[in-house]
Amino acid sequence: GAGVSQSPRYKVAKRGQDVALRCDPISGHVSLFWYQQALGQGPEFLTYFQNEAQLDKSGLPSDRFFAERPEGSVSTLKIQRTQQEDSAVYLCASSLKETQYFGPGTRLLVL
Amino acid sequence: DQQVKQNSPSLSVQEGRISILNCDYTNSMFDYFLWYKKYPAEGPTFLISISSIKDKNEDGRFTVFLNKSAKHLSLHIVPSQPGDSAVYFCAASGWGSSNTGKLIFGQGTTLQVKP
Repeated sequence: GAGVSQSPRYKVAKRGQDVALRCDPISGHVSLFWYQQALGQGPEFLTYFQNEAQLDKSGLPSDRFFAERPEGSVSTLKIQRTQQEDSAVYLCASSLKETQYFGPGTRLLVL
Repeated sequence: DQQVKQNSPSLSVQEGRISILNCDYTNSMFDYFLWYKKYPAEGPTFLISISSIKDKNEDGRFTVFLNKSAKHLSLHIVPSQPGDSAVYFCAASGWGSSNTGKLIFGQGTTLQVKP
């Protein structure tokens, strides 16, 4: 029934603070993706899960970024020691086949 | 390198006329293409897709055309309506190239439909 949900919708963090972003995918969707969207750009791939397995993390910009999906449903993207360049919208998407369905995103602002 | 390009940042059309949004790609391993529409402060909403084995897919007012030899796809909206005003993203994936299905997006085209 429900679409992809993300929380929080907005997050303001001081530089150096850790943040955790949550994604609830569509029920039954095996695949889950995280993307980062900078202002005026298209979303850019961060990481991909198939069930609980993280099969591709090639897009994570640094080792400060960590994602998990321990039970194959809800996923959390964690950013440690946030920097100003981490300010962006973080989008989560889930899919059963080729078409990905996106959540509303979390807008992160690092001051 | 930008594998998916939308060369027109913006497009303005009159209500009732046709809107044509264009997208070019460079990776011949892409085999699935999608268009998303995005309103401010919302996530991208899926509009229409096309597999590389087809050259056209139609859904109501929306038609996507794929020209594989030119590595070009386009989205036609007819007739255009003021509610279609949004940012449109073209995206591509290639299970054969990356085996994850991750999407590569263009930069987006802002469509304004004037009443």
